Amino acid sequence: GAVVSQHPSWVICKSGTSVKIECRSLDFQATTMFWYRQFPKQSLMLMATSNEGSKATYEQGVEKDKFLINHASLTLSTLTVTSAHPEDSSFYICSASNLAEDYNEQFFGPGTRLTVL
Amino acid sequence: GQNIDQPTEMTATEGAIVQINCTYQTSGFNGLFWYQQHAGEAPTFLSYNVLDGLEEKGRFSSFLSRSKGYSYLLLKELQMKDSASYLCAPMDSNYQLIWGAGTKLIIKP
Repeated sequence: GAVVSQHPSWVICKSGTSVKIECRSLDFQATTMFWYRQFPKQSLMLMATSNEGSKATYEQGVEKDKFLINHASLTLSTLTVTSAHPEDSSFYICSASNLAEDYNEQFFGPGTRLTVL
Repeated sequence: GQNIDQPTEMTATEGAIVQINCTYQTSGFNGLFWYQQHAGEAPTFLSYNVLDGLEEKGRFSSFLSRSKGYSYLLLKELQMKDSASYLCAPMDSNYQLIWGAGTKLIIKP
């Protein structure tokens, strides 16, 4: 299957700082990338969907000014958590998909664990 | 609305067979995925069904009935490493995956 990487795999930051997470599709072109957040023992929660070259579509309740998403190329999307607070501590997972493919499988990155002190 | 219904937790014995059921309601349907997720890790793809019937892939099989909004994942010859959460995720008309909380499967020796 296709490979998606995320960087960093974990990050600890102080409250009020901004954190950028990168998601890269390594061996295919991702027309669409998805950003998820998962709290312990809870389901994946879709935060936003981004298509290359256009603005991301945010899910209800997700602040677009706080979670900045950029999908500048077919292999890279970034999520920036601005002015992070302890309640933003979570497991952030990206996935990538190529809608031109047969069944739109989402390939997941390994996730980024964010801890805000 | 859209929702997924799976058992919260199941327990099975090493070497045995277990079936994890999933019922779903979505706005439109573009297939159903099953993912495995170990604690602290991202989900990994197991199977995809878009037509009714059974798809077999090694020790894992997945079944779909679109008219009933029902799917199951069948795991055979269970191994300890199969202890994980199993996520049933149908894809809606916007090609978005709809996620439930998954089924935590505990394998005992």
